[in-house]
Amino acid sequence: SYDLTQPPSVSVSPGQTASITCSGDKLGDKYACWYQQKPGQSPVLIIYQDTKRPSGIPERFSGSNSGNTATLTISGTQAIDEADYYCQAWDSNTAAYVFGAGTKVTVL
Amino acid sequence: EVLLVESGGGLVQRGGSLRLSCAASGFTFSAHSMAWVRQSPGKGLEWVSYISSDSHSIYYADSVKGRFTSSRDNAANSLYLQMNSLRAEDTAIYFCARELSPLVQAFDVWGQGKMVTVSS
Repeated sequence: SYDLTQPPSVSVSPGQTASITCSGDKLGDKYACWYQQKPGQSPVLIIYQDTKRPSGIPERFSGSNSGNTATLTISGTQAIDEADYYCQAWDSNTAAYVFGAGTKVTVL
Repeated sequence: EVLLVESGGGLVQRGGSLRLSCAASGFTFSAHSMAWVRQSPGKGLEWVSYISSDSHSIYYADSVKGRFTSSRDNAANSLYLQMNSLRAEDTAIYFCARELSPLVQAFDVWGQGKMVTVSS
């Protein structure tokens, strides 16, 4: 099966930049997307096709994907960005969606 | 407003069955592939099943293959998940989700989720 690996947690000071990585074998050959989930809420798509933001998602969220690693970057992090973040990709070899285990972002 | 609303969750004994429904509104349901994603208490997201817009392609996670069945009724704007031979590890919140488009394997609309608890 295809696996995506994320760090369990990332801490960032308000106004600073947070980077969350997602690693998988030749992930750069696939499209990665990212979701934000706050406690008690459903996930929200914040990045798709590596770099695209759905309507309504702030510009401070950006994404990249190359080699074996996709990265979600939050620029000028705000307290409201404190949440769990999940990466996801489609593995055509196994016809399966795959999620990373999630990264908890704490804004200190 | 684009909405997905799950129903049918609850408490069931190990080995039992349960059927989840997901009612869609505010968009052309028949134009979108759909999926089920679950989240065990305190854990991460786990993809469960995918069904194409015309039901011709249906895929399952290995953890539920042979026990769960996805279906849809485009005339009724509804998605279903029939869950049989339930196990304690199936206890989770189950979300239905809309695939953004045929070329974009990402989920842009999510339901509020429905709790399924399997007791032993």
